[in-house]
Amino acid sequence: DTAVSQTPKYLVTQMGNDKSIKCEQNLGHDTMYWYKQDSKKFLKIMFSYNNKELIINETVPNRFSPKSPDKAHLNLHINSLELGDSAVYFCASSQFGGSNQPQHFGDGTRLSIL
Amino acid sequence: GQQLNQSPQSMFIQEGEDVSMNCTSSSIFNTWLWYKQDPGEGPVLLIALYKAGELTSNGRLTAQFGITRKDSFLNISASIPSDVGIYFCAGHESGGSNYKLTFGKGTLLTVNP
Repeated sequence: DTAVSQTPKYLVTQMGNDKSIKCEQNLGHDTMYWYKQDSKKFLKIMFSYNNKELIINETVPNRFSPKSPDKAHLNLHINSLELGDSAVYFCASSQFGGSNQPQHFGDGTRLSIL
Repeated sequence: GQQLNQSPQSMFIQEGEDVSMNCTSSSIFNTWLWYKQDPGEGPVLLIALYKAGELTSNGRLTAQFGITRKDSFLNISASIPSDVGIYFCAGHESGGSNYKLTFGKGTLLTVNP
């Protein structure tokens, strides 16, 4: 039933480790996104893929690498995790069409770096 | 990039009261969206607005797309305890990417029973 699902919901790991977060949507949308929400709840776009092609790449350290195996999946791999990476990461999706479509969000992955 | 100014930052109200929050920008937006985020969950779309002057309701919620296309407001009538959460405005900036949503910093709503 879940429209946009992310795994894991919680991720606790040591500084320097590499980790991945997975996202899947069953809405039939063509476009998917990754957002970072900081401790002050500010939501900032990181990446967007449309039909497996990167279309938005904000100023994000290159330790973060998104991968889209198909249009229903967008994963986020993070290398050499740092303390400042602690945040909630949200996946979202929207219809293609270039007509400013609303985005639908998953429930987030809470990443804590020790 | 463009920032959205959302106010107030937080509100403490009594159950039954009406609530109003708004969002302004210095540039024109093509869409205005209002989301609600409950603790431990992702933002959920409440209302989407696509035309200047548009007024749309969703139950006790009403939102309007400002006529100048630089602002939007959200009203909640007869608030109830489950209205508690963070409300975000968001929009697609005119001339910007059709995919990039800019978010306000949120309004934290607390409802006292």
